Parts: sequence; structure tokens; C-alpha cells
Amino acid sequence: TQLLEQSPQFLSIQEGENLTVYCNSSSVFSSLQWYRQEPGEGPVLLVTVVTGGEVKKLKRLTFQFGDARKDSSLHITAAQPGDTGLYLCAGARGSNYKLTFGKGTLLTVNP
Amino acid sequence: GAVVSQHPSWVICKSGTSVKIECRSLDFQATTMFWYRQFPKQSLMLMATSNEGSKATYEQGVEKDKFLINHASLTLSTLTVTSAHPEDSSFYICSAPTSDMNTEAFFGQGTRLTVV
Repeated sequence: TQLLEQSPQFLSIQEGENLTVYCNSSSVFSSLQWYRQEPGEGPVLLVTVVTGGEVKKLKRLTFQFGDARKDSSLHITAAQPGDTGLYLCAGARGSNYKLTFGKGTLLTVNP
Repeated sequence: GAVVSQHPSWVICKSGTSVKIECRSLDFQATTMFWYRQFPKQSLMLMATSNEGSKATYEQGVEKDKFLINHASLTLSTLTVTSAHPEDSSFYICSAPTSDMNTEAFFGQGTRLTVV
């Protein structure tokens, strides 16, 4: 059972376009993290959202946590080829360190 | 920021041999570490939770006798793939939460295992 549904699974866009990646669940998470992974490397933490309705910005990336803490989105403005990578959302419950990962979104930004 | 180091980055071994992968927390202590397996262009699959000073907790479907985990100190966990077969070829990644950020995880660089 996939507890975190991430979509789309694959996304190929042109440089300068905007995109949104979604992460949905029927379960409540105490926090949700977004990671970016490049081929052959480990995931790198981008952001953690904790409060329902929270919005965090990281340059051209905007992260939002749903009011009910069951879903999250990642919006990239004016995508660049350097944004290419696998984006993963991961949710945590309580103080349990164990993360539940979404299936990932493989983003390709073409010059 | 917190650093988790994984070694080796890649390894090629023959079928039937065993391979050990190390995961170290370099600037913090980790009583818990996680081991994941990842197939190309897919997400991470949690294999087991490594607990310092006690037995690892394995996820359903993961053979504990095949994937031996040892967490002998607060900064080191090892994953040994025993009697490796070609189907064990994969990308293995470890992670560790830091003590003051109770859910954020920092990942090692990953180990590409190829069994020939």
C-alpha cells in the first residue's frame, strides 16, 4: 500500500516553464519533507514543513503543506536544466524517525 | 549541516560472495539509522531500521539472514549483503536523523552494488 501518492511520476518540460508536483495521502503526517536526488547520489533535503497550511520558499521553489497535513505540493517557477532530478516527498508521524516515501517525480528540464 | 558518509560508493562482486557497506554519521551521533534500496528511476524502499546496541528491525519481505545489519556504535551502521546474487544488484542508501531534528533525515551518498 502506497501511503503517499506522488504525481506526476515523470515530467519533461522546457526551460522557463512552471510546474507543480503533488504529494497526497489519506493519513495525517506530523511533518513532510521534500528531497531532490541526482543520479548516483543520495537524496538531499530541500525543506521540511510541519504546520498545516505552511508555505515555504526556497528561491524558485515553493512548498506548501495542506491545512489537514495530509498533502503537500512543490511548485517550481521558471524551471532550469539544473532543476533536473528525482524529487521525493516523505512523511513522518509523531516523533517516529521512520519516513514514508512517495514514488518520486522524475523531472527533466530541457534547455 | 549534518553529514552522513557511506562507503564504498560502488562495488562489483562475484556471485556467492559477501559485501559490506558502511554508513557513518560524521558530526553527530545516531542511535537509529535506516537502510534503503533503490531501483533505477524509482523511489526508496525501506529495508530495515538499524538500532544501536540492539537488533535491526526489518521490513516485511526483507530477508534478515541475507541482509545483515550491525549498529555497533553511535556513529556506524553496516549492511552486509551475504551470498550475493545478480538480483541483489541495486543502489543501497543509508540515512540517519539527527538528535535535534527528530524527523529530518540526512542521507549517505549511496552504494552502487553490481553482482556479476
